[in-house]
Amino acid sequence: ETGVTQTPRHLVMGMTNKKSLKCEQHLGHNAMYWYKQSAKKPLELMFVYNFKEQTENNSVPSRFSPECPNSSHLFLHLHTLQPEDSALYLCASSQEFGDNYGYTFGSGTRLTVV
Amino acid sequence: KQEVTQIPAALSVPEGENLVLNCSFTDSAIYNLQWFRQDPGKGLTSLLLIQSSQREQTSGRLNASLDKSSGRSTLYIAASQPGDSATYLCAVRPNDYKLSFGAGTTVTVRA
Repeated sequence: ETGVTQTPRHLVMGMTNKKSLKCEQHLGHNAMYWYKQSAKKPLELMFVYNFKEQTENNSVPSRFSPECPNSSHLFLHLHTLQPEDSALYLCASSQEFGDNYGYTFGSGTRLTVV
Repeated sequence: KQEVTQIPAALSVPEGENLVLNCSFTDSAIYNLQWFRQDPGKGLTSLLLIQSSQREQTSGRLNASLDKSSGRSTLYIAASQPGDSATYLCAVRPNDYKLSFGAGTTVTVRA
């Protein structure tokens, strides 16, 4: 499979649950990103990983915990979320952080916190 | 801080009409600008990438122009079809490498 794959596509979780989102890319890219898209708002950058190292944490609450075990996989661990965390979470990758050749996005995980 | 604005927020046109989508940004020091398409509840599909040294890019019925000095880009979609109905997002890559997105223009093409 090519491109950026995100699982699950949909997730409903209670505020006390712990769950994880997964992102996998088969493009040979070295940088991966998590974005949050809330209704009617621009995409917000959450985290950046470049060559498996976290290079950016955009003031994200600690209830979101990223993990990047290798350049092809990126996880977002969720715990004790709030209803306002309900959103579409998008993973993206690029050849390198800040490269000039564009970003490739996954299809997203639609998260609903109840 | 880079601000990206897309006007209009929504657009409805009859099939066959040409579409003109606007994107403006406040800081002209950018490396590139990328146009994406997003279908409801789905991820982003890259349409066109314009480097800062380029004035336009074309792909099929799509043409995007860039005027860096005035902080503007326009996406033209010729002879619109119902399948073009989606939200179109522009994103600029400034010097700090973080993409800044507009809120998007939601397009409806009526059959």
